[in-house]
Amino acid sequence: ETGVTQTPRHLVMGMTNKKSLKCEQHLGHNAMYWYKQSAKKPLELMFVYNFKEQTENNSVPSRFSPECPNSSHLFLHLHTLQPEDSALYLCASSQNTYSNQPQHFGDGTRLSIL
Amino acid sequence: GENVEQHPSTLSVQEGDSAVIKCTYSDSASNYFPWYKQELGKRPQLIIDIRSNVGEKKDQRIAVTLNKTAKHFSLHITETQPEDSAVYFCAASSNAGNMLTFGGGTRLMVKP
Repeated sequence: ETGVTQTPRHLVMGMTNKKSLKCEQHLGHNAMYWYKQSAKKPLELMFVYNFKEQTENNSVPSRFSPECPNSSHLFLHLHTLQPEDSALYLCASSQNTYSNQPQHFGDGTRLSIL
Repeated sequence: GENVEQHPSTLSVQEGDSAVIKCTYSDSASNYFPWYKQELGKRPQLIIDIRSNVGEKKDQRIAVTLNKTAKHFSLHITETQPEDSAVYFCAASSNAGNMLTFGGGTRLMVKP
């Protein structure tokens, strides 16, 4: 399934670097999500966009900055991250956020902070 | 906010046996309960979901039951196979924003 594609698959960065994660969906959806998956913790919702508008910021530190230029693309800009930010970052999409609908995930970006 | 608890955290069964994973939720307004399967190094994949107006749903070897009064829901896998080995996550959504709260996951191991 290539409905939701994330790049890069792996990223190693220092605490002072700036990098971006990219997500693209080919499902014709209008809602996109960022999740963080850490070892031994539940998936944590970070941000939600619906028709390019941010509808949720789940108390995420400002060193994570999302961007949604259109309904098909979602970015997560990273700056001055901490070691505890090392995790798998998953992108998902759904038709929209107006009702509860299945979310389709990408393969994720495995992020390691040195 | 919503809180979802999932048990057990690990489950080992013999091939052909049944497996049951249970979740409880805290928000009585929750009305959508999906289950995801995540194989090692792969994306979470939706395997079945249930809405609050239904008590049970089946899809071949997989079934989900929902008890709204007790605020718990369960995943049942019958005739387990080695390829069922994965981490399974339950989730609940309590509002129209389609925001999922996930349980901690269950690592299912099916021994041949």
